[in-house]
Amino acid sequence: GAVVSQHPSWVICKSGTSVKIECRSLDFQATTMFWYRQFPKQSLMLMATSNEGSKATYEQGVEKDKFLINHASLTLSTLTVTSAHPEDSSFYICSARPERGSYEQYFGPGTRLTVT
Amino acid sequence: AQSVTQPDIHITVSEGASLELRCNYSYGATPYLFWYVQSPGQGLQLLLKYFSGDTLVQGIKGFEAEFKRSQSSFNLRKPSVHWSDAAEYFCAVGSARQLTFGSGTQLTVLP
Repeated sequence: GAVVSQHPSWVICKSGTSVKIECRSLDFQATTMFWYRQFPKQSLMLMATSNEGSKATYEQGVEKDKFLINHASLTLSTLTVTSAHPEDSSFYICSARPERGSYEQYFGPGTRLTVT
Repeated sequence: AQSVTQPDIHITVSEGASLELRCNYSYGATPYLFWYVQSPGQGLQLLLKYFSGDTLVQGIKGFEAEFKRSQSSFNLRKPSVHWSDAAEYFCAVGSARQLTFGSGTQLTVLP
């Protein structure tokens, strides 16, 4: 149980285009989903927290107009990287929390984004 | 603010040897502590967690960790390392709001 999927697993796009990444909780309902960014050889940095049906909360320094997050249902959150640039190339990981107040998060397998 | 320190960036051990990965945390209340493992290009897999109770926690793949409040530590151990354990290991401290990760320890296993 507690499986989280991400799609796509890797994507290459041209500079200036937008890319959407999906995060799904497959066997549970996620009240909260998180989006992380990980640069090579580095740790995970929280980008934003999204609660179903409400606006995402972005961490300091994360451009909310560039990284659009939608948590449309209890099993799906999407991250759209708008007008992508090479510096947006990174590994994006989502996680899902099954209930409010829980301290556990279940992680997706990640999406490798390369912007050329 | 909560924080996690993993002092060792890279550790190399021989297969069959014992392993200890260090983790120190800073947190204002009772910490909720986690160890995750990440293989290259993959997401994170939970090895074990500590919420309360017995300070020695058993996890998957033969790993264990000991919570020491006096030392603000949550070190990960394994008595005999297998080549498949080579990966990146992250310690994390959790609150109701978020998880904060350490910088990670890369484990190399020599044959």
